[in-house]
Amino acid sequence: ELKVEQNPLFLSMQEGKNYTIYCNYSTTSDRLYWYRQDPGKSLESLFVLLSNGAVKQEGRLMASLDTKARLSTLHITAAVHDLSATYFCAGDGGATNKLIFGTGTLLAVQP
Amino acid sequence: KAGVTQTPRYLIKTRGQQVTLSCSPISGHRSVSWYQQTPGQGLQFLFEYFSETQRNKGNFPGRFSGRQFSNSRSEMNVSTLELGDSALYLCASSRGQGNEKLFFGSGTQLSVL
Repeated sequence: ELKVEQNPLFLSMQEGKNYTIYCNYSTTSDRLYWYRQDPGKSLESLFVLLSNGAVKQEGRLMASLDTKARLSTLHITAAVHDLSATYFCAGDGGATNKLIFGTGTLLAVQP
Repeated sequence: KAGVTQTPRYLIKTRGQQVTLSCSPISGHRSVSWYQQTPGQGLQFLFEYFSETQRNKGNFPGRFSGRQFSNSRSEMNVSTLELGDSALYLCASSRGQGNEKLFFGSGTQLSVL
C-alpha cells in the first residue's frame, strides 16, 4: 500500500523567511493533496495536484508535484504567524476519496 | 452554504459500550468518508459511502461500521469500545467523482475510559 512520508516533522521559522516542506510517497499516486489543520480544528483543503508538473499557488503557499520523483513540495514564502498550523500531504489510496496521509509537519512561525 | 456538520462534538464512553457518530454532508454532496485521527497512528481511512452504498473500506476491524441514508447523511458506529478507539473521528464530504477536494467536518472527539 502507498506510504507517505513528510519532512520535517517540526519546523520553526521566523517571520519573513522562506522554507519548503517535502512529501515523498512510495508507489504511484496520480494525485496529491495538501491540507492544513489548526490546533483542535478540522482539516482545510489547500491544494489538489492532479498531474505531473502541476503547480498551484495560493497566497504565500505554493505546491508542486513531480510524479516521476514521487515528490511533492509545499513552499512557504515570507512566512507570517497566521501560517502556523500542521500541514498534511496525502496521496491517492487507490479508491475514491481514500487518502493516505503523511505524518504531518507542525509549522511554528515565530515573530 | 453550510459546511459538513458532525455531532456530537465530544463523547465520553467506557470500554465495552457502543457509540454512534453522525455526519451531515454539504448539500449536493453524495460521498461521505470517515477518518480516524490519533497521535500515534495519524490520519487513517475508515470507509467511504456513496449513494447509500459502502464503496471503500480501510483496514479496521468489523466493530467499526457505518451507513448512509437517502439524504446522504451518514452514521458511524463502533461497538464494544476499546481504549485504543479514543480518537478524533472526522468525516468528509464531496460530490464523489474523484480528483476533488474533500471538505472535512470539525470532528467528534471520542474518549474511551
